[in-house]
Amino acid sequence: DTGVSQDPRHKITKRGQNVTFRCDPISEHNRLYWYRQTLGQGPEFLTYFQNEAQLEKSRLLSDRFSAERPKGSFSTLEIQRTEQGDSAMYLCASSGGAINQPQHFGDGTRLSIL
Amino acid sequence: QKEVEQDPGPLSVPEGAIVSLNCTYSNSAFQYFMWYRQYSRKGPELLMYTYSSGNKEDGRFTAQVDKSSKYISLFIRDSQPSDSATYLCAMERSNDYKLSFGAGTTVTVRA
Repeated sequence: DTGVSQDPRHKITKRGQNVTFRCDPISEHNRLYWYRQTLGQGPEFLTYFQNEAQLEKSRLLSDRFSAERPKGSFSTLEIQRTEQGDSAMYLCASSGGAINQPQHFGDGTRLSIL
Repeated sequence: QKEVEQDPGPLSVPEGAIVSLNCTYSNSAFQYFMWYRQYSRKGPELLMYTYSSGNKEDGRFTAQVDKSSKYISLFIRDSQPSDSATYLCAMERSNDYKLSFGAGTTVTVRA
C-alpha cells in the first residue's frame, strides 16, 4: 500500500493557461474523489468516480474543469483558461470496498496562478 | 450557516497537556464522523473514523460523538510537539460519498 500519489506537487502558471493534474489512487481502491482546499478552509468536494464512471460533479466545478478516470485506474483533473480564483490545493482521495469506507488523501497539487 | 462549524483557533498548549478539539453540525443526516490531521503543505491524514455515538480510543487519541447534540470531539492525551498541525473534522451521510469538512483548528504544542 503505497498511498495516494499526486503529480505535480506544485504548479505555477500564468492566467489563461491550461493545467492538468494526475492522481494515482491506492491500487485496490475503486472510488476516487477530487477536493479543493483554499487557505484556512477545509477541503470542498469537487467530483467522484466509481471505477471509470464519474457519478457526481459539484456546482464548484465550472465548465472550465474536466476530470477523467480512464480504465478506472488513475485520474486527471484539467482546468482550462485558468483564473486567479483557481489558486488552491487540489486534493485527491480514494476509498475501497463498500460505500462509506474511509477516504485516504494524497498530498495534493498546489496551483498558483500568476 | 455552514453545515459543519469548527473553531479555527489557533490553540497553543504545553507539551504533555490534553488537547481538546470539537465540531458542531446542523444536518442530522450525518452518520459517519472523521478526524484528519494535516501538516503544512501535506494532505489530510486520517486519525479517527467513527459511526455511532459514544467514544472510540486509539492510543493517545479519543474521539467522542454525541448525535443528540450534533457535537463531536477529539482529545489528544500527552501531547507532543509532533502533534502540532491543523486538525480537520469531517462528516458523511449514510450511502453518500461526499465529505463535509470543518475549517480546521491549528494546534501548536510547545516543547
